[in-house]
Amino acid sequence: EVQLVESGGGLIQPGGSLRLSCAASEPTVTASDNYMSWVRQAPGKGLEWVSVIYGDGSTYYADSVKGRFTISRDNFKNTVYLQVNSLRVEDTALYYCARTYGGVWGQGTTVTVSS
Amino acid sequence: EVVLTQSPDFQSVTPKEKVTITCRASQTIGSSLHWYQQKPGQSPKLLIKYVSQSFSGVPSRFGGSGSGTDFTLTISSLEAEDAATYYCHQSSSLPYTFGQGTKLEIK
Repeated sequence: EVQLVESGGGLIQPGGSLRLSCAASEPTVTASDNYMSWVRQAPGKGLEWVSVIYGDGSTYYADSVKGRFTISRDNFKNTVYLQVNSLRVEDTALYYCARTYGGVWGQGTTVTVSS
Repeated sequence: EVVLTQSPDFQSVTPKEKVTITCRASQTIGSSLHWYQQKPGQSPKLLIKYVSQSFSGVPSRFGGSGSGTDFTLTISSLEAEDAATYYCHQSSSLPYTFGQGTKLEIK
């Protein structure tokens, strides 16, 4: 079973940037029907879908992050990235990468946006 | 954007009770509706995919049904370990969305 490990989170000031990484134990976004999503969860809140990248390279975003976040992949490294720019206090959350309805989720990486 | 509304938001239930959680979509989403369980401090776990397909290893007391805009997660006989928050999720229409969650407390 594929395993996912996120990294790259941290404490950042508003307006700052981070690059989140999701390392997979095997190729996950190479076939046309494969995908990887980012889902976030603010402290004490529910799950919020953020972004997805498909095997054909297509990418999609939640309206709340469109224009500020960019999802990408490196197939040689079996890694998916989420570049998060122009961070806002409301972006503070635990960020999961996941093949959501494939049943594979990482443990998450925490992003805290605060001055 | 498809809005998923779960009910109830919170339920306190006794072991062996049958539990029903509903998820209503703001528009038709076909069969691309999935259910997750999340316990405190843990990542979400897939229970049911595509309305009614049980994910590998999920106890048989969890079941899903529904169509169109109305979907249901049923726990046939609640066990103490089922105390958690449950979320529905649609992958029919971008941007994908989650329901607000239903928290189950065991009496």
